Amino acid sequence: KAGVTQTPRYLIKTRGQQVTLSCSPISGHRSVSWYQQTPGQGLQFLFEYFSETQRNKGNFPGRFSGRQFSNSRSEMNVSTLELGDSALYLCASSLGEGKAKNIQYFGAGTRLSVL
Amino acid sequence: AQSVTQLGSHVSVSEGALVLLRCNYSSSVPPYLFWYVQYPNQGLQLLLKYTSAATLVKGINGFEAEFKKSETSFHLTKPSAHMSDAAEYFCAVSDRGNQGGKLIFGQGTELSVKP
Repeated sequence: KAGVTQTPRYLIKTRGQQVTLSCSPISGHRSVSWYQQTPGQGLQFLFEYFSETQRNKGNFPGRFSGRQFSNSRSEMNVSTLELGDSALYLCASSLGEGKAKNIQYFGAGTRLSVL
Repeated sequence: AQSVTQLGSHVSVSEGALVLLRCNYSSSVPPYLFWYVQYPNQGLQLLLKYTSAATLVKGINGFEAEFKKSETSFHLTKPSAHMSDAAEYFCAVSDRGNQGGKLIFGQGTELSVKP
């Protein structure tokens, strides 16, 4: 079974631009969560989507948004990029319900550099 | 609010020595607990998980962890370190009452293995 796939692996943008990151979950998984990883703040939860609906949200500004499609693939968008948005963005998928709902499997991440 | 504390941002052991990485959580009820490992330029790999009454949990690559409710701890151990164990390790917690995928991570412990 294929794992979680994130594209692209690397991105370079300039301040003020916007960016879209993509995540394809493990087949059969209906939940997709996004995390930001930085050296200073560590791993921080952005949001979670389940069956095309945002089910959980972290403490990030509205510039960070996401969506989920009917095939469970998810995209994350960051508008008006700031230097501080430079980070590794990780996507994780899980079944989203039942006993295994909280067991998350991560992709390799997208490394975003904002210049 | 839930939180996770990993004692020691850097741990160094000799090859063949015991590995002990410490994790304490703060939660009003026993949560789900996880250990993940991250190798350079990669995503997070699930090592093991605590989601039930079995307090001693065995994971991949010879790692195990013991859930101790009285100490609110979930320390990760491996009897004999291998060079390939050098990586960063993250302890994470998820609320049992939460509908889905929001993991709260500790700050991580970087494990070095000396030959």
